[in-house]
Amino acid sequence: GENVEQHPSTLSVQEGDSAVIKCTYSDSASNYFPWYKQELGKRPQLIIDIRSNVGEKKDQRIAVTLNKTAKHFSLHITETQPEDSAVYFCAASKRYPGGGADGLTFGKGTHLIIQP
Amino acid sequence: DTGVSQDPRHKITKRGQNVTFRCDPISEHNRLYWYRQTLGQGPEFLTYFQNEAQLEKSRLLSDRFSAERPKGSFSTLEIQRTEQGDSAMYLCASSPGLAGDDTGELFFGEGSRLTVL
Repeated sequence: GENVEQHPSTLSVQEGDSAVIKCTYSDSASNYFPWYKQELGKRPQLIIDIRSNVGEKKDQRIAVTLNKTAKHFSLHITETQPEDSAVYFCAASKRYPGGGADGLTFGKGTHLIIQP
Repeated sequence: DTGVSQDPRHKITKRGQNVTFRCDPISEHNRLYWYRQTLGQGPEFLTYFQNEAQLEKSRLLSDRFSAERPKGSFSTLEIQRTEQGDSAMYLCASSPGLAGDDTGELFFGEGSRLTVL
């Protein structure tokens, strides 16, 4: 089955600096890579995702890059703000053209701390 | 519709007892997923339904675990003869499930926290 590795487990950055979180996956058949943000005591929520037919996707201060050959993808957050403090999870799955999908396999998470 | 709801939010039980969790997905979402999350870990996939059909089960889902979605709406997850290692947050998620509507996003509930003494 799929195995997703995520690092670092904890990342502390100064407010206003950039943060980068990296993940690798094992199953070359995986083609969908979302990132979820989970604040303390809250449910995970999707912040951005990428499919294997593109190499990069941006949404304001957040971007995700994908290298299919190396089987790794990264989350980039620029101009970090205190509200970015949370645990971030990467995930991978295979989605089928007809609409079906395997269950998401999540990484272990990165606790992002924004220092004021 | 206020999103995915789960009940109960917290459950404390003694080892060996049975527990059941309920999940009500977003209306008209065809797909429903169960995940388990322990402290400091990412959600671990347990099982998934397309309407009432259970399409995939993880190896994590031992014989003591059973999930149902009898009418394709709400789902239940039952754990029999609970063990201390079952202590975790049990998360339910749903998605539209129709190719045109399903962007891939999972909408999670707040979870049901299980503590086995």
